Amino acid sequence: GAVVSQHPSWVICKSGTSVKIECRSLDFQATTMFWYRQFPKQSLMLMATSNEGSKATYEQGVEKDKFLINHASLTLSTLTVTSAHPEDSSFYICSAESGRGGGYEQYFGPGTRLTVT
Amino acid sequence: AQSVTQPDIHITVSEGASLELRCNYSYGATPYLFWYVQSPGQGLQLLLKYFSGDTLVQGIKGFEAEFKRSQSSFNLRKPSVHWSDAAEYFCAVGAKAAGNKLTFGGGTRVLVKP
Repeated sequence: GAVVSQHPSWVICKSGTSVKIECRSLDFQATTMFWYRQFPKQSLMLMATSNEGSKATYEQGVEKDKFLINHASLTLSTLTVTSAHPEDSSFYICSAESGRGGGYEQYFGPGTRLTVT
Repeated sequence: AQSVTQPDIHITVSEGASLELRCNYSYGATPYLFWYVQSPGQGLQLLLKYFSGDTLVQGIKGFEAEFKRSQSSFNLRKPSVHWSDAAEYFCAVGAKAAGNKLTFGGGTRVLVKP
């Protein structure tokens, strides 16, 4: 149980176009999802917290108009990279929070590799 | 603000030998502590977590970690490493007061020699 999927797993797009990445919790409901960005050989950096039915909360330094997040349902959050540029090329990973078992933990998706040419 | 330090960027260990990965955190109260493993090009898999209670935590794949409040540490150990343990390991800290957001350490890459 507690599986999170991401789609697509990799995408190549041209500079100036927009790309949408989906994050789904397959077997549980997640009121909160998180979006991370990971550069090669580096750690994960939290970009934003996505709450179902409300606006996302962005971390300092993350452009909210560039990285649009929508949490339309308890099992789906989307990240849209608008007007992508080569510097947006990165590995984007989402996670979904589950409160099962009395504690909480984040279950991570497999990631989406974005390459902007 | 919470922070996590993993002092070792790379560790090379022989197959069958023991492994210990260091993690030090900074947070005002008792945080939630996690260890994740990431294979190349993949997402993260949770190895184990600490919320409260017994400070020695058992995880999957034969890993364990010990929470030491006095040292602000949460080191990960495995008594006998397998070649499949070669991966990147991340320590993370979270807290309910911080909205359950996770802060990750820089990661430790483990190489396993045959």
